[in-house]
Amino acid sequence: QKEVEQNSGPLSVPEGAIASLNCTYSDRGSQSFFWYRQYSGKSPELIMFIYSNGDKEDGRFTAQLNKASQYVSLLIRDSQPSDSATYLCAVNIRDTGRRALTFGSGTRLQVQP
Amino acid sequence: EPEVTQTPSHQVTQMGQEVILRCVPISNHLYFYWYRQILGQKVEFLVSFYNNEISEKSEIFDDQFSVERPDGSNFTLKIRSTKLEDSAMYFCASRSGSALDTQYFGPGTRLTVL
Repeated sequence: QKEVEQNSGPLSVPEGAIASLNCTYSDRGSQSFFWYRQYSGKSPELIMFIYSNGDKEDGRFTAQLNKASQYVSLLIRDSQPSDSATYLCAVNIRDTGRRALTFGSGTRLQVQP
Repeated sequence: EPEVTQTPSHQVTQMGQEVILRCVPISNHLYFYWYRQILGQKVEFLVSFYNNEISEKSEIFDDQFSVERPDGSNFTLKIRSTKLEDSAMYFCASRSGSALDTQYFGPGTRLTVL
């Protein structure tokens, strides 16, 4: 069973702090990794994707990938109350050309004003 | 900015009835997906569609489900005989077909089976 695991939270951080969200995956064949944000009752909204080991920065967001440890993380700098949402880690497990995303259960982030 | 659209936003149906959920993917995208999310649970893959045929389906996507692209724009998910456990949010997603795998999700249809 190919799994994507996340701590369900809630992760509570004060406004302006760095929020660190983590995700592990079981399939070493995984090649592409995505972070989506989901507000309650809404659809997943893409924040970032990463394919290569290391860091990728986009504004206040940094995705980090370590394929050897099968670990991907998302850092949110200068957290704002509007960042309060559930963050979904999704993995594209490419076996025989599969393109479907496998999602984790999400980490709920609460940014306290 | 182009976006995936879905209709209706909320569908209420009686158990055993057929429902059709509609999606309009982003116009130049080639790959289309349906996912569902039961309340409080993970987003789960149902089916992917490319070049007018199913390219992959999950174990959830049984004979009660079907997909179709009836014209150049719409992409539909049909559930033939709904069950109570089909109550969920259904999300359509599309991808361009470039080397990137980024999928963009529609706003979803909330299906309630009574």
